[in-house]
Amino acid sequence: GENVEQHPSTLSVQEGDSAVIKCTYSDSASNYFPWYKQELGKRPQLIIDIRSNVGEKKDQRIAVTLNKTAKHFSLHITETQPEDSAVYFCAASKGMNSGYSTLTFGKGTMLLVSP
Amino acid sequence: DSGVTQTPKHLITATGQRVTLRCSPRSGDLSVYWYQQSLDQGLQFLIQYYNGEERAKGNILERFSAQQFPDLHSELNLSSLELGDSALYFCASSVGLAGDTNEQFFGPGTRLTVL
Repeated sequence: GENVEQHPSTLSVQEGDSAVIKCTYSDSASNYFPWYKQELGKRPQLIIDIRSNVGEKKDQRIAVTLNKTAKHFSLHITETQPEDSAVYFCAASKGMNSGYSTLTFGKGTMLLVSP
Repeated sequence: DSGVTQTPKHLITATGQRVTLRCSPRSGDLSVYWYQQSLDQGLQFLIQYYNGEERAKGNILERFSAQQFPDLHSELNLSSLELGDSALYFCASSVGLAGDTNEQFFGPGTRLTVL
């Protein structure tokens, strides 16, 4: 089955700095890669996703890049703010075309943004 | 609020007991997923149902079972509980198996404590 590795497990940055979280996946058939943010005690919420026919996607301060050849995708957060502090999960799925949409999650990255 | 509801919010029980967790998906969503979140294992996929039928199984123990009813709500049954079953259990829903988006919407979770 699919295996998703996520690094780093914790990341501390100063407010205004950029943060990068990296994930690798094992199944070359995976074609949908969402990122979820989970604040303490709350539910995971989708913040951005990318499909395999796209190499990069941006939404304000958040961007995701995908390298299908290397089976690697990354989350980039610019101009970090204290409210960005949370656990971020990457995930992979073959759901886009195969009709099978189970997500395999990485183990998460705890991002701490200091004022 | 994602539109996915879960009950109860908290559950405290003893080893060897059996509990049932309930999930109501967003209106119109046919697919329901169950996840277990513990501190050291991240988000582990347990099982998926689509329109009443089991579609995929993940790392679900034989002591655990689930079903999706005609009104699309789902229940996760955990039996012969052990201390290690203490975790946060999330339900998520999505529109279906295939389509333009596979975003999964998470409920608030049920925190299970086994004493």
